[in-house]
Amino acid sequence: GQQLNQSPQSMFIQEGEDVSMNCTSSSIFNTWLWYKQDPGEGPVLLIALYKAGELTSNGRLTAQFGITRKDSFLNISASIPSDVGIYFCAGLSYSGGGADGLTFGKGTHLIIQP
Amino acid sequence: DVKVTQSSRYLVKRTGEKVFLECVQDMDHENMFWYRQDPGLGLRLIYFSYDVKMKEKGDIPEGYSVSREKKERFSLILESASTNQTSMYLCASSFTGATNEKLFFGSGTQLSVL
Repeated sequence: GQQLNQSPQSMFIQEGEDVSMNCTSSSIFNTWLWYKQDPGEGPVLLIALYKAGELTSNGRLTAQFGITRKDSFLNISASIPSDVGIYFCAGLSYSGGGADGLTFGKGTHLIIQP
Repeated sequence: DVKVTQSSRYLVKRTGEKVFLECVQDMDHENMFWYRQDPGLGLRLIYFSYDVKMKEKGDIPEGYSVSREKKERFSLILESASTNQTSMYLCASSFTGATNEKLFFGSGTQLSVL
């Protein structure tokens, strides 16, 4: 099946730093999603991207749908302690497909040192 | 707000026991999903359902079954629990339609099989 390579696996940063993570694949995706999982909770959708080249912001978060449709990036500016958690990318390779077709990355574990 | 409720946060069971994990959603979503989450492996789809009494195998259905007798409830069943089924189990739901790929997750059930 399709695979998403999410990197980095973990990040140790100082509060206030900017964060960047990405997902890449050898396959083309038509939808990219970014989720965040707080400790002890289920993932929550942060941003959804539907068009190649699309750049979407949600507060301090910015995500981009890569031009090649094989990658996506998530940036967090000026990190704060509540940004701690695991960030997952997910891709859907066909438009209008059901969520059963979602492929998830393995996650980026973000740890913030005060 | 959409609420997806998983009946237990933590469960400890013995090898060979039959285990039921319950999930209820309160937003009239047609689609429901069961994932398991393991460190370094991300989220993997076990089973899903797009309608009452409908069920489809996901990527790792072996050792599991499901039941969807009512629209709001989706149960995951481990017929004979084994130690390799120790994991975090996440239930999710979504609408049918244009945004069906946007999943709403429960808080998870951490299952330990001894």
